[in-house]
Amino acid sequence: GENVEQHPSTLSVQEGDSAVIKCTYSDSASNYFPWYKQELGKRPQLIIDIRSNVGEKKDQRIAVTLNKTAKHFSLHITETQPEDSAVYFCAATSSGSARQLTFGSGTQLTVLP
Amino acid sequence: EAGVTQSPTHLIKTRGQQVTLRCSPISGHTSVYWYQQALGLGLQFLLWYDEGEERNRGNFPPRFSGRQFPNYSSELNVNALELEDSALYLCASFTRFGAQYFGPGTRLLVL
Repeated sequence: GENVEQHPSTLSVQEGDSAVIKCTYSDSASNYFPWYKQELGKRPQLIIDIRSNVGEKKDQRIAVTLNKTAKHFSLHITETQPEDSAVYFCAATSSGSARQLTFGSGTQLTVLP
Repeated sequence: EAGVTQSPTHLIKTRGQQVTLRCSPISGHTSVYWYQQALGLGLQFLLWYDEGEERNRGNFPPRFSGRQFPNYSSELNVNALELEDSALYLCASFTRFGAQYFGPGTRLLVL
């Protein structure tokens, strides 16, 4: 089955700086890669996703890049703000019969004012 | 469009008891996924239901079970509760494009 590794587990940045979170996956058949943000005490919220036919996707201050050859994808947050502080989870799924997400272990991002 | 709903929001049980958690997916979604998230930890896949059938289950003992009803709502049952079952139980609804949307969760505390 799929295995997703996420790094780093914790990340602290100064407000206004950029943050990068990286994930690797094992199943070369995986074709959908979402990112979730979970604030303390709340549900995970989908913030951006990318499919394997696209190398990069951007939505305002958030971008995701995908390298299928190396089987890794990354979340980039620019101009970080205190409200970006949360746990971020990457995930991967395949279009096969599983149709389920395998999540990374999460990254606790802290944006220092 | 209403999102994924779950009930109850909080639950306190004692060891050995049984609990039933409920989830209603987004209207039109036929798949429901259950996850366990222990405090400070990641999302562990529990069960996947689609079109009324169990499609897959994660690495959890048989005392974790569930079902999906004809209206696609779902129940998660946990028998013989143990202290380590204390966690946030999340239900997610699946779109045909691959995105999963989570409900607010049920926070279970086992004493």
